[in-house]
Amino acid sequence: DSGVTQTPKHLITATGQRVTLRCSPRSGDLSVYWYQQSLDQGLQFLIQYYNGEERAKGNILERFSAQQFPDLHSELNLSSLELGDSALYFCASSSDEGPYEQYFGPGTRLTVT
Amino acid sequence: EDQVTQSPEALRLQEGESSSLNCSYTVSGLRGLFWYRQDPGKGPEFLFTLYSAGEEKEKERLKATLTKKESFLHITAPKPEDSATYLCAVQASGNQFYFGTGTSLTVIP
Repeated sequence: DSGVTQTPKHLITATGQRVTLRCSPRSGDLSVYWYQQSLDQGLQFLIQYYNGEERAKGNILERFSAQQFPDLHSELNLSSLELGDSALYFCASSSDEGPYEQYFGPGTRLTVT
Repeated sequence: EDQVTQSPEALRLQEGESSSLNCSYTVSGLRGLFWYRQDPGKGPEFLFTLYSAGEEKEKERLKATLTKKESFLHITAPKPEDSATYLCAVQASGNQFYFGTGTSLTVIP
């Protein structure tokens, strides 16, 4: 158990809908990272927050947004969902803004039908 | 363009048969290179961080090394429980992370 929690574990929704994925980092970690893992593309870095502020941005679509709250938990919002958004979404945390090891949560499996 | 390439895609070893996994990278300003292990349906598990060429780190049967263009993960006398996908990642100067697609390792008893 990495100490990173993610909810929900599974999510099934329809195209065009909006969902929110939640992540709680390990106790004491200030950085949160979001990743998308699909079968054909591997792990894709989406975005990093450090102590509430955006620190780095990867290949995050404009339909996706994230934030980190004062209690350090983070949410990833996915809107106008398309079939291609079906994937595993991982959250990770680290103690500082990097380059430090990241501890990954168990993931949220999103299925868009 | 920043990218990470891992080889081979898949590797089957007999128990006790040592081998190496390769991770080659091109990145603007390497801040760190990471190795992770991922079991099916689970999140990646951190193994090593390497920061500069020449650096080496070891943990049980695993040893990671780093040069200016690539990293190797050496597995000595593997056991069936070492079967997993091994992922390599780099952090670039802009703080973005890039992951390779992994090497799927199967160790046969």
